[in-house]
Amino acid sequence: GAGVSQSPSNKVTEKGKDVELRCDPISGHTALYWYRQSLGQGLEFLIYFQGNSAPDKSGLPSDRFSAERTGGSVSTLTIQRTQQEDSAVYLCASSLVPSSGNTIYFGEGSWLTVV
Amino acid sequence: AQKITQTQPGMFVQEKEAVTLDCTYDTSDQSYGLFWYKQPSSGEMIFLIYQGSYDEQNATEGRYSLNFQKARKSANLVISASQLGDSAMYFCAMREGLLYNQGGKLIFGQGTELSVKP
Repeated sequence: GAGVSQSPSNKVTEKGKDVELRCDPISGHTALYWYRQSLGQGLEFLIYFQGNSAPDKSGLPSDRFSAERTGGSVSTLTIQRTQQEDSAVYLCASSLVPSSGNTIYFGEGSWLTVV
Repeated sequence: AQKITQTQPGMFVQEKEAVTLDCTYDTSDQSYGLFWYKQPSSGEMIFLIYQGSYDEQNATEGRYSLNFQKARKSANLVISASQLGDSAMYFCAMREGLLYNQGGKLIFGQGTELSVKP
């Protein structure tokens, strides 16, 4: 597709279960970002992938959160043993090599509700 | 560490008037980029405008302009001739290390909710 694709668009899960969120970036984009946005809040950085470099994981809130990017394209964000405070929109974004002027494009997000 | 501050949680503007949304940033890097995004109630993130730290002229995109004051570390968004459809959350963001492949994470401010009154 032309844009960043995320799935599922909505997910309701029980507390303690694991969830996987998928992001398919724009073709050819080497940079991929994951963010979390709680209701009415700003975007909280989670993790950043750039080409073959080691990812910047500095934003992951706990060891229950992990992400991988296979083949430099699709990325999966995994949340283990979900908690109610994990309820949020998880946004994925991608861009070309992040030199000056390259726009970062966002997907529509995955709405996660932990009950 | 990089930081973005938006001090206005909410703003009101009359339709057809101009409005300025404030953004200040903090970075020790010499090479960085500043972005503004719009997030309507639908939740999508819409890119508005970009300013590179080495750009000498203020960026403009249609009704949007960025008032870039490097010495003051501010990057305010100016929306001219406000329209009802401009009502949304607006986020300022910064990315360090823009030379070649040095680009890093994009950090966002807390946002400003703009309401345009008819």
